[in-house]
Amino acid sequence: GQQVMQIPQYQHVQEGEDFTTYCNSSTTLSNIQWYKQRPGGHPVFLIQLVKSGEVKKQKRLTFQFGEAKKNSSLHITATQTTDVGTYFCAGSDGAGSYQLTFGKGTKLSVIP
Amino acid sequence: DTGVSQNPRHKITKRGQNVTFRCDPISEHNRLYWYRQTLGQGPEFLTYFQNEAQLEKSRLLSDRFSAERPKGSFSTLEIQRTEQGDSAMYLCASSLDGVGYTFGSGTRLTVV
Repeated sequence: GQQVMQIPQYQHVQEGEDFTTYCNSSTTLSNIQWYKQRPGGHPVFLIQLVKSGEVKKQKRLTFQFGEAKKNSSLHITATQTTDVGTYFCAGSDGAGSYQLTFGKGTKLSVIP
Repeated sequence: DTGVSQNPRHKITKRGQNVTFRCDPISEHNRLYWYRQTLGQGPEFLTYFQNEAQLEKSRLLSDRFSAERPKGSFSTLEIQRTEQGDSAMYLCASSLDGVGYTFGSGTRLTVV
């Protein structure tokens, strides 16, 4: 079945440093979504990417979808303590399945 | 709209007992999903409804698990003969045509 892998599993950064998490799928995706889960909270939708090579920005967050639609990345510029949480990518292969397959997430800690 | 509502928030049950969880999705959303999340993992797909029809069910899902969505409104997830391995956070999510899931706060199940 479809697998979605994320690296790194954990990342500790000093406040103000940049952060990047990478997501790789075993199959070509029809779309990829990113979620953020704060400690003790539930996943919150950030963005969806659909097109090959797509790049989207949300303030300090930049999301990319690979040309082959098998990988994606999330980059945060100048991290803040409010960025703390676990970031998940989730992909759908669209092959007759409606389910999103989530990666294990990257847990971000920001040291003030 | 108050978002996706799940009840109860916590459930402690003895092994072998049956439990039922309820999810009230966002009323405008046509799709409803159940996921399960354990510590340090991403959400794992359980089942999907479009309106009242259950269109997809995880192959990993034991026959002790059943879900319903009568009249396409709220949904229930029942686990029969609970086992310790069923202990997890059970998350419900809804979406409009699959773009961006809105998750509820979840039901934390502990089987003792």
